[in-house]
Amino acid sequence: TQLLEQSPQFLSIQEGENLTVYCNSSSVFSSLQWYRQEPGEGPVLLVTVVTGGEVKKLKRLTFQFGDARKDSSLHITAAQPGDTGLYLCAGARNNQGGKLIFGQGTELSVKP
Amino acid sequence: EAGVTQFPSHSVIEKGQTVTLRCDPISGHDNLYWYRRVMGKEIKFLLHFVKESKQDESGMPNNRFLAERTGGTYSTLKVQPAELEDSGVYFCASSRLQGSNTEAFFGQGTRLTVV
Repeated sequence: TQLLEQSPQFLSIQEGENLTVYCNSSSVFSSLQWYRQEPGEGPVLLVTVVTGGEVKKLKRLTFQFGDARKDSSLHITAAQPGDTGLYLCAGARNNQGGKLIFGQGTELSVKP
Repeated sequence: EAGVTQFPSHSVIEKGQTVTLRCDPISGHDNLYWYRRVMGKEIKFLLHFVKESKQDESGMPNNRFLAERTGGTYSTLKVQPAELEDSGVYFCASSRLQGSNTEAFFGQGTRLTVV
């Protein structure tokens, strides 16, 4: 059972374009984390959102947690080739010891 | 400060053999997690140690997998005997705390191929 549906799974765009990655669930999470993973490396945390409706910005990246805390999105403005990589969303619930439930990931390729 | 390190980075073994993966967490991190990603699937939780104790092993696939964390420092994950479906990338992560808002630091992973 896939608890976190992440879409799209693959995205290839030109430098300068905008994009949005979605992470959806029918279940409520206490927090939603976004990671970026480079080839041969482990996931690296970008941001954690914990409040329904919360918006966080990290340079050209904007992260939003849905009001009901069941979904999240990552928006990248004016994508750069350096943004290329695998983006992962992961949800956590209170009283589960920090266990993370991951989405399938979005493989982003930004072409110059 | 050294990050989470995993050894080996790659392992190719034959079906039926035994393999042991090692994870060294960040010093002072009581919480240690094992995850696995099989090809085409999402990263899935295997188990969680708090110091040397297994707090949650609900994700362990079957009794061919044995995880230990003697002394509450490094951890090992042994697969015996390995099957083809055990192939994948095994990640270890550690954190100082265990709340839902806690940052976990991941190792680079061990890519296991069972042939």
